[in-house]
Amino acid sequence: GQNIDQPTEMTATEGAIVQINCTYQTSGFNGLFWYQQHAGEAPTFLSYNVLDGLEEKGRFSSFLSRSKGYSYLLLKELQMKDSASYLCAVREGPYGTDKLIFGTGTRLQVFP
Amino acid sequence: SQTIHQWPATLVQPVGSPLSLECTVEGTSNPNLYWYRQAAGRGLQLLFYSVGIGQISSEVPQNLSASRPQDRQFILSSKKLLLSDSGFYLCAWSVRTAGPSHLYGYTFGSGTRLTVV
Repeated sequence: GQNIDQPTEMTATEGAIVQINCTYQTSGFNGLFWYQQHAGEAPTFLSYNVLDGLEEKGRFSSFLSRSKGYSYLLLKELQMKDSASYLCAVREGPYGTDKLIFGTGTRLQVFP
Repeated sequence: SQTIHQWPATLVQPVGSPLSLECTVEGTSNPNLYWYRQAAGRGLQLLFYSVGIGQISSEVPQNLSASRPQDRQFILSSKKLLLSDSGFYLCAWSVRTAGPSHLYGYTFGSGTRLTVV
């Protein structure tokens, strides 16, 4: 079956660092995505990992360990505008179908 | 550049009424198309995906159906809405992949907030 777990909510202070974890158990794996979703809006792409290791992109970094079924999203120098939900998604299935299976998302609140 | 249009943005419908939500993509050919639903405070649930005209795969049994009459058009329908059909409906597209690449992530439409009363 498919199971993608993330914490439901997290809080942090402006300027701090926060790590959002994601564990997954899926029938197939062709990459892991992180999306940001502000309330009432569509998700937007943040990062992608298909090989083990860390991918850095400005203030955001994402890590993957395929053997452990584990990923995290690291947000540095937090800003108020980073308050949003962060969705972990695994791409299942053979190339060509590209189904993304999403976790329930982590709602992050950044306080001044 | 590629764009995805989804409408309407909000919709309030009575129980038992029909539904038609439309999604179109511009600037690309042969996209994979997807319908997701997000219930309040929940994650995105994949409802349907399509790899070509007339090809629809359903992920969960439900009161909804999908059709793809043209390459870049994807329609979500229901003959009789239920209260449980309320939610935020998102259409998305992706390039059909031949291998691993972040370029093959999804681009989402702006969503339709459906309230069934």
